[in-house]
Amino acid sequence: DADVTQTPRNRITKTGKRIMLECSQTKGHDRMYWYRQDPGLGLRLIYYSFDVKDINKGEISDGYSVSRQAQAKFSLSLESAIPNQTALYFCATSRSGYGYTFGSGTRLTVV
Amino acid sequence: QQQVKQSPQSLIVQKGGIPIINCAYENTAFDYFPWYQQFPGKGPALLIAIRPDVSEKKEGRFTISFNKSAKQFSLHIMDSQPGDSATYFCAATAAGGTSYGKLTFGQGTILTVHP
Repeated sequence: DADVTQTPRNRITKTGKRIMLECSQTKGHDRMYWYRQDPGLGLRLIYYSFDVKDINKGEISDGYSVSRQAQAKFSLSLESAIPNQTALYFCATSRSGYGYTFGSGTRLTVV
Repeated sequence: QQQVKQSPQSLIVQKGGIPIINCAYENTAFDYFPWYQQFPGKGPALLIAIRPDVSEKKEGRFTISFNKSAKQFSLHIMDSQPGDSATYFCAATAAGGTSYGKLTFGQGTILTVHP
């Protein structure tokens, strides 16, 4: 099993729909992150959490929300999806904030 | 504000060539500079990393060169192989301040190595 598992791997949704992307990890890391990847823009931080009771906004948090259900689970929600949220989304974990372990990503298309 | 700027956006070399990918940063508090490698359909994976107290680090065919005064660092791939074809990201983070505990990534470079 993968250390960091993201579900679903692919998702097509309609504008205005609510969607949740899920991430679970077996690394035992306290720190979890959600990034968005767009061509030419690299990876941009959406939200991050240093422990279950700690949630922080990243550089592009507008239109997104997160939930840290347990040390091992960190979910990203799009409350009302819009087409410019079409992207590749990655969850990552870290013990120290230095070395990250990434999941395999969720490809989201909003039509 | 893009704190880490990466170039070129894409790069094509022949097998055995030495591709070089460059990154520049603005935040002088950054103290850890990793490079990640990403294959299609996969998440990025840590390739090599450097701290600013050294000017060069080698791991196999991969070398990071670091210029603290210029706030620049680069990745060199010696004797490149078709299997090195991937997207490469530079990144940076800091032990404190607003960048603490989170990586800031460059824009990425798509490397293609022809046989």
